[in-house]
Amino acid sequence: AQTVTQSQPEMSVQEAETVTLSCTYDTSESDYYLFWYKQPPSRQMILVIRQEAYKQQNATENRFSVNFQKAAKSFSLKISDSQLGDAAMYFCAYRVDSNYQLIWGAGTKLIIKP
Amino acid sequence: DGGITQSPKYLFRKEGQNVTLSCEQNLNHDAMYWYRQDPGQGLRLIYYSQIVNDFQKGDIAEGYSVSREKKESFPLTVTSAQKNPTAFYLCASSISRTGNYGYTFGSGTRLTVV
Repeated sequence: AQTVTQSQPEMSVQEAETVTLSCTYDTSESDYYLFWYKQPPSRQMILVIRQEAYKQQNATENRFSVNFQKAAKSFSLKISDSQLGDAAMYFCAYRVDSNYQLIWGAGTKLIIKP
Repeated sequence: DGGITQSPKYLFRKEGQNVTLSCEQNLNHDAMYWYRQDPGQGLRLIYYSQIVNDFQKGDIAEGYSVSREKKESFPLTVTSAQKNPTAFYLCASSISRTGNYGYTFGSGTRLTVV
């Protein structure tokens, strides 16, 4: 079965510090796409970062970066210089080429302490 | 500005009543999706459509119906056969039919059974 596990239901970090959210997934496919989405209190899902599994280089978007370990099936999200506006639920998801569906994790609630 | 509009924001349904959730996009995206979100869970796919006049069931399609008569519109009907419809519903679209570049989401509809 294709699954995504986010082992941290909740994380907290001091403003301006760095935090890493973990995500592991299970698939037997070799080609797939990985995503991190943010859901702030407004509840609108926002794409944070995207990684193609065939690319070895880790994706980066400003303060957001990933640590993609294909062999370990791990896709963690690092947020540097945390800001109050980063407080949200963060969801990890992936899609395999043979299936058009996104497989979602249960989410991690990120709290930013001022 | 381009985006996805979901309406209404809040919806109340009486027992045995059918209700329709609206989803409109002006992004010229080919594919559209309906997700259900329950507390403590990831998103679950209800239906998706990759092209006009065609749609596919997701993991939890029972008790729901959709139509895709126009590229811009993908309404979801929650029928009386859906026994536990209270949830947050998210509509999304993707520029490619495969969704490899990620999804754009609407702001959601909160459905409550009264």
